Amino acid sequence: GAGVSQSPRYKVAKRGQDVALRCDPISGHVSLFWYQQALGQGPEFLTYFQNEAQLDKSGLPSDRFFAERPEGSVSTLKIQRTQQEDSAVYLCASSSLAGGYTDTQYFGPGTRLTVL
Amino acid sequence: KQEVTQIPAALSVPEGENLVLNCSFTDSAIYNLQWFRQDPGKGLTSLLLIQSSQREQTSGRLNASLDKSSGRSTLYIAASQPGDSATYLCAEAPTGANSKLTFGKGITLSVRP
Repeated sequence: GAGVSQSPRYKVAKRGQDVALRCDPISGHVSLFWYQQALGQGPEFLTYFQNEAQLDKSGLPSDRFFAERPEGSVSTLKIQRTQQEDSAVYLCASSSLAGGYTDTQYFGPGTRLTVL
Repeated sequence: KQEVTQIPAALSVPEGENLVLNCSFTDSAIYNLQWFRQDPGKGLTSLLLIQSSQREQTSGRLNASLDKSSGRSTLYIAASQPGDSATYLCAEAPTGANSKLTFGKGITLSVRP
């Protein structure tokens, strides 16, 4: 595709609901990242995939957060039993090179999650 | 843990002014430093990427410099325009196999016509 796409763009969930956020990276990009951006803050790293392998999940805030990229393309970030502190914009980024050398990361528009 | 700081949090300037946005980081062992632009309600657009072996990069009216020894980077915007109004974030990638980025909080720039 022309760029990184994310869906839905906006999601409102009641506290305790499960949500799933989707990311479609640029075609052929090896690396995929998820970041969380709270209001007025910079994005914070959540997790990183190289193809289908999740190489780093050190930024996931709790075991309620789970990410997958089963075929090395589309990725889904799932949040179980959402809490109000999960309200944020979730950004997905992809880049064309594997780890060891950093290339520009291309970001999607984000999904704004609001937990009531 | 790497920390990236951007001060001030907001800046307002008249159109046509040349300006400098500052970014500082605590760990000089970075792999590269990137500057991004974020418009309200939108994702991040990469502006410039400086590898650790480089000192500066230029694109149009933008020039970014990197001084690893002092832990600083600056983004210079020449002849600012109202369309430059946005939030500018710097981010560093650490040395190592994982290229996750550590971001500053950003500087919200407003260019007045």
